[in-house]
Amino acid sequence: GNSVTQMEGPVTLSEEAFLTINCTYTATGYPSLFWYVQYPGEGLQLLLKATKADDKGSNKGFEATYRKETTSFHLEKGSVQVSDSAVYFCALIIQGAQKLVFGQGTRLTINP
Amino acid sequence: DGGITQSPKYLFRKEGQNVTLSCEQNLNHDAMYWYRQDPGQGLRLIYYSQIVNDFQKGDIAEGYSVSREKKESFPLTVTSAQKNPTAFYLCASWAGLYNSPLHFGNGTRLTVT
Repeated sequence: GNSVTQMEGPVTLSEEAFLTINCTYTATGYPSLFWYVQYPGEGLQLLLKATKADDKGSNKGFEATYRKETTSFHLEKGSVQVSDSAVYFCALIIQGAQKLVFGQGTRLTINP
Repeated sequence: DGGITQSPKYLFRKEGQNVTLSCEQNLNHDAMYWYRQDPGQGLRLIYYSQIVNDFQKGDIAEGYSVSREKKESFPLTVTSAQKNPTAFYLCASWAGLYNSPLHFGNGTRLTVT
């Protein structure tokens, strides 16, 4: 089946630290991959996406590269800010499918 | 601006009462979804609809019902049969292209006492 596994949280970092949140997937077909962010009390917002192998999605200083050979889509940011504190979800969809498959989410807290 | 509107943001009900959560979208998306989120948990799919007058059960449909009479609207009713209804409910819509993302509303927090 199709599934997404994310790095266990919560993750706590200091401001300006380097961030990596791991995401690996299994897919029966060829997926599009997404990272969503959820700030407290809000819905999910698309952070970035990649739709084919070796594509790099980027937004707001965050980056993730679609790695078909390792079935991964790790989220990275070079220098995090307090405002990056949120829950991050990795997700995929297979062409022809009707639903996204979400990971369990990773809570990130950045301390000043 | 196009988007998804969920209302109300906070909802309080007594146990044994049915309650309906509103979800409206003006993105002209065919597909719409309802998710439940519990504290510190991920998303669980309740119901989804690919087209007007048709919908499918998700992973946790028991105790919930939906309707899709209009493309723009996908209300969710939490019935008294739902054993633990207190949660954060998220509505989403999708254009149906596999390289396009889901768009989410800002959620409704339901508290049942």
